[in-house]
Parts: sequence; structure tokens; C-alpha cells
Amino acid sequence: NAGVTQTPKFQVLKTGQSMTLQCAQDMNHEYMSWYRQDPGMGLRLIHYSVGAGITDQGEVPNGYNVSRSTTEDFPLRLLSAAPSQTSVYFCASSPGRVAVLHEQYFGPGTRLTVT
Amino acid sequence: GQQLNQSPQSMFIQEGEDVSMNCTSSSIFNTWLWYKQDPGEGPVLLIALYKAGELTSNGRLTAQFGITRKDSFLNISASIPSDVGIYFCAGGGGGSNYKLTFGKGTLLTVNP
Repeated sequence: NAGVTQTPKFQVLKTGQSMTLQCAQDMNHEYMSWYRQDPGMGLRLIHYSVGAGITDQGEVPNGYNVSRSTTEDFPLRLLSAAPSQTSVYFCASSPGRVAVLHEQYFGPGTRLTVT
Repeated sequence: GQQLNQSPQSMFIQEGEDVSMNCTSSSIFNTWLWYKQDPGEGPVLLIALYKAGELTSNGRLTAQFGITRKDSFLNISASIPSDVGIYFCAGGGGGSNYKLTFGKGTLLTVNP
């Protein structure tokens, strides 16, 4: 199993550009999430999905869009990049069983810089 | 929203020393988890706690779920250089509430 994979690993964008961060998992996990990590801020939830076709907003959703058409993939779209979106982005997944609901497995991250 | 206070923010210790860090919250959590993040990598789950009062070990790591459900601590015994990294606590809600709230992390440096 590859676990949770993210592409690209690094990206530089100009203000106003759009792009999609890719996330895939091969563990047949129901739940997937996107976080951003900024210095001194810990991990903040952007959007999450509890299954294919179902998404919801997290703590900091503005400027980001998600969709979940398959169990495996959960892409994050930046609609019009802003310098405030410079961050490290992590995708995570979790089994759908309530007993281990919170055991999230993280990808390696995408380091995004917006100039 | 819910917030976790994690302390200390950073620690600098000698190899072989024991380490203790903790997380407190004004809200009750049903699950407490501890993650470690190496530089340039994603967080890795170390220990998950599901019951108030539960004490769980994973090798040299021991974590406890506070009896009030508002706190948790992590101990690392006999630290080694590869323990270096950022340790995060996270709290999870009840039922099918999937969302986690993360602390801001403790940066651990181990001097060989």
C-alpha cells in the first residue's frame, strides 16, 4: 500500500492563478480531509469528506474548493491564489468505522508558495 | 471553536533524559491522539486513547487520557536523537464527529 499520496510536493504560484492539489489513498478509507499548516498555528482543517459525493467545510474553507467523486481521490482546488495561502497542505484519511474514526493517516504534504 | 493548549512549546534535552508534554482544553473530548512530525514529512500517529483514565504505551512512549476528558499527556523515556521532531496532540469529538482539533505542537530537540 502506498497509503496517502499527494502531488505536487512543491508549487509556486502567482497571485490570481488557480491550481489543484491532488490527494489519493489506497486504503479504502471513507473519510478524507485537507489541512493547512502554518508556523505557530498547528494544523487547521480546510475541508473534509465522509464519503464519495459528500463534502463539508472545516475551520478555514474560504478560497478553497473540494469534490469527492471516488473513494480514493480528494482534490483541493485553489480558485484564485493569494499570498495568504502560502502554506504546507496535508491530506489525511481515516477508516469509516466509529471505533477508529479519529485515527487519521497523513500524506507527505504539498509546500505551496504564492508570490 | 475548540482550542487545545499544548505545552511546552519547545524542549531541548540531552540524550537519555525523559520528556513530558501535555495538552489541556476547556472542552471535553472523546478521543485523544498524539502525532509526531519529522521535518519535511506529514504527521504520524503515535498513540490513540479512547477512554478517560486510559494509559497506553507504544515502546518508550506512554500517553494518558485525563480523567476529566479535558487533558492528556505524553511521556518519552530515555530519549534518543531520532525522537527529534514536533509532537502534536489532537482531540476528537463524540459519535460520528470525524473532525480533530490539533494543538500547536511541541518542538523537541535531543542533544546527543
